[in-house]
Amino acid sequence: EAEVAQSPRYKITEKSQAVAFWCDPISGHATLYWYRQILGQGPELLVQFQDESVVDDSQLPKDRFSAERLKGVDSTLKIQPAELGDSAMYLCASSPGGSSYNEQFFGPGTRLTVL
Amino acid sequence: KQEVTQIPAALSVPEGENLVLNCSFTDSAIYNLQWFRQDPGKGLTSLLLIQSSQREQTSGRLNASLDKSSGRSTLYIAASQPGDSATYLCAVSAGNNRKLIWGLGTSLAVNP
Repeated sequence: EAEVAQSPRYKITEKSQAVAFWCDPISGHATLYWYRQILGQGPELLVQFQDESVVDDSQLPKDRFSAERLKGVDSTLKIQPAELGDSAMYLCASSPGGSSYNEQFFGPGTRLTVL
Repeated sequence: KQEVTQIPAALSVPEGENLVLNCSFTDSAIYNLQWFRQDPGKGLTSLLLIQSSQREQTSGRLNASLDKSSGRSTLYIAASQPGDSATYLCAVSAGNNRKLIWGLGTSLAVNP
């Protein structure tokens, strides 16, 4: 069964360092999402791509976060510099897009700890 | 502004019980509603998606209903098992980009 792949699964870094997360969506899925989830809360959308274009990055802290999906397939989310408050689970999801049947499928996530 | 609420926040039941998890939303203008399962420290697993034109969806021991006019959905789990222990989240898709708006989840513990 097709799955969303993410790496690394766990990342420990010191504040002020740069970190990067990678996501490979389900083949053929046009829409890709990056979420941040703090323990005990629902996911918060950081950025949404339709193919290679950003369609929503209103909640992305653009002074330190960046995201790209250059060829409209896999995607990278970067944080530079990392801050203590960035410790969270970073989730990637993909969906076929383009209709009301827009089921999102999630990857296993990357657990980030900033020391 | 769309808001999603899940009740109860936590639930503990003995194995074998049938149970109902509730999700309510404030704006009926949704594309769909999705139920997810999340195990501790893990990603999200999609359980069921109900389109706005549908009333219910079933998968195995799970049945989800949607009453869009009243802004409510229920997830029914039949014959609960310890392996069902997890957090269950509901999310509605709404707005121009079909953004998911999330509840905080119900933490379920099924005791052997």
